[in-house]
Amino acid sequence: AQSVTQLGSHVSVSEGALVLLRCNYSSSVPPYLFWYVQYPNQGLQLLLKYTSAATLVKGINGFEAEFKKSETSFHLTKPSAHMSDAAEYFCAVTRGSYIPTFGRGTSLIVHP
Amino acid sequence: DGGITQSPKYLFRKEGQNVTLSCEQNLNHDAMYWYRQDPGQGLRLIYYSQIVNDFQKGDIAEGYSVSREKKESFPLTVTSAQKNPTAFYLCASTSKGGNTDTQYFGPGTRLTVL
Repeated sequence: AQSVTQLGSHVSVSEGALVLLRCNYSSSVPPYLFWYVQYPNQGLQLLLKYTSAATLVKGINGFEAEFKKSETSFHLTKPSAHMSDAAEYFCAVTRGSYIPTFGRGTSLIVHP
Repeated sequence: DGGITQSPKYLFRKEGQNVTLSCEQNLNHDAMYWYRQDPGQGLRLIYYSQIVNDFQKGDIAEGYSVSREKKESFPLTVTSAQKNPTAFYLCASTSKGGNTDTQYFGPGTRLTVL
């Protein structure tokens, strides 16, 4: 079985500060990992995904994530937070078939 | 513009009623999915379909039903058997249903039981 754990249901940062959202996975096969963002009352949209090519993946809006097999992690980072980054972020891993398993989400709060 | 539409955006249901949520996509995607989102619980899979006239139960299918008569449409019916249907419902699609496929989501329908 595959699963995803997102540490921290809420993360609060100041505008301009580093953003770090944590995601750890468990998988019996090489995983494919995704980060999605959800703005209030909207659907999710893809930020970035790891598909076994480069371990450092760059996404939209200045976000990036690094796949670390030894730590079973895929943490999402952004060097400098902007007010518009305030949203819910979901990490997901695909199962052996193709169905994704989503984490419980982390709400990013950005203070002026 | 290609995308996924869901309607209605807000839906109110009386107890004991069945309601149907619409999901349409013009991305020419083969696979479609329905998720339920509750605060703090992430997304849970209700049903999915990889091809027309075929669909599979997800993790929480009880009290829900679907059909896939056309490639672009995947309606979800919330039946009276669903004990706690108040939630945000999201429809998604992928091009082929592969492991690396990106899920494209609709804007969601918020269902409230009165």
